Amino acid sequence: GQSLEQPSEVTAVEGAIVQINCTYQTSGFYGLSWYQQHDGGAPTFLSYNALDGLEETGRFSSFLSRSDSYGYLLLQELQMKDSASYFCAVSQLNTGFQKLVFGTGTRLLVSP
Amino acid sequence: GAGVSQSPSNKVTEKGKDVELRCDPISGHTALYWYRQSLGQGLEFLIYFQGNSAPDKSGLPSDRFSAERTGGSVSTLTIQRTQQEDSAVYLCASSHLGRQDAGNTIYFGEGSWLTVV
Repeated sequence: GQSLEQPSEVTAVEGAIVQINCTYQTSGFYGLSWYQQHDGGAPTFLSYNALDGLEETGRFSSFLSRSDSYGYLLLQELQMKDSASYFCAVSQLNTGFQKLVFGTGTRLLVSP
Repeated sequence: GAGVSQSPSNKVTEKGKDVELRCDPISGHTALYWYRQSLGQGLEFLIYFQGNSAPDKSGLPSDRFSAERTGGSVSTLTIQRTQQEDSAVYLCASSHLGRQDAGNTIYFGEGSWLTVV
């Protein structure tokens, strides 16, 4: 089986930096992804880590430590439009192909 | 098509009726996923298709749920004898490769919102 843990909610103000943590337990771990979902919308891909370290994509960065089964998403220069739910997801290698399992999500509220 | 297409976008059905939800993945994508999301909750894995391999059905919650994928493209998720707890958004997603590739991106449809009354 597998489990992922994220905080249920995080609040921050515009312009701030926020970090959303994700810890996981899974077999056949291959990588950690992050997805963003606005209310009523479809989840969209943000970032992916297969190796330890930091991946940077504009204002968003994602970090992975495989030895600690831990990762985080870092959002910088927060904007109101960043208010959304953020999901971490582990890729499991299952008979040679990936299977993506999502965490329960972190709701980010950005205030003025 | 340009993106993952799902139909119907909204469905209200009476308890005990069967429903079929359709997913048309991005052309050329070999992997197709179904997830369920209850209001304000996370994404619950249901089933995964990859090419001609046997699907991973490990997430289907009961034998009332089934899915098929015809010709390696369109998929249909069927829920028999619907119950009120089946009310949720059913999200379909597809990806180009089942194996890990750079980005590991899966693309979601807008979902089918199912309400069982």
